[in-house]
Amino acid sequence: AQKVTQAQTEISVVEKEDVTLDCVYETRDTTYYLFWYKQPPSGELVFLIRRNSFDEQNEISGRYSWNFQKSTSSFNFTITASQVVDSAVYFCALSEANQAGTALIFGKGTTLSVSS
Amino acid sequence: DAGVTQSPTHLIKTRGQQVTLRCSPKSGHDTVSWYQQALGQGPQFIFQYYEEEERQRGNFPDRFSGHQFPNYSSELNVNALLLGDSALYLCASSLDERLETQYFGPGTRLLVL
Repeated sequence: AQKVTQAQTEISVVEKEDVTLDCVYETRDTTYYLFWYKQPPSGELVFLIRRNSFDEQNEISGRYSWNFQKSTSSFNFTITASQVVDSAVYFCALSEANQAGTALIFGKGTTLSVSS
Repeated sequence: DAGVTQSPTHLIKTRGQQVTLRCSPKSGHDTVSWYQQALGQGPQFIFQYYEEEERQRGNFPDRFSGHQFPNYSSELNVNALLLGDSALYLCASSLDERLETQYFGPGTRLLVL
């Protein structure tokens, strides 16, 4: 069965620290997609990145970077030099390609608090 | 370019009542998905609509139903409300290219008393 585990419930850091959010997934499919979303206090989920199962290249976007390792079924997210504006709940999600639709399976989220 | 919009933003109902939530997809999108997010939890998939048909459904009872209109907007209906239905209801839209990214609206906060 599909499952996404975000073992870190809450993380607190001081501004300018680097922080890594962990995501481990389970799927029986060979073709799937992984996502990260950010949910600020306003509640709206903001899309950050999408990765397909055939592309294990790491990606960097500004202060954000993602490390995808199929061997360990992990898709970790690192924020470099964190800022107060990074405070939010971050969700990792999985979607399988063989389903009739494209439902997202979310983890329980990691609450990141960045203090100044 | 308007993003996904939802109405109302907040709603208070009592047990046993019925509620209708509305969603307008992002311009150019034709697929709408609905999610329920209980406090402190990740969003749970309710169902997805494409071409006015329910294409995929999560593990939710028949009290949860939906509809998609020809302009791609969508409604989520919940009958016989329970206290446990209190949650943030999120709508997401996407293109029907397989596994295109879903973009979310601001959500409707439903409180059932």
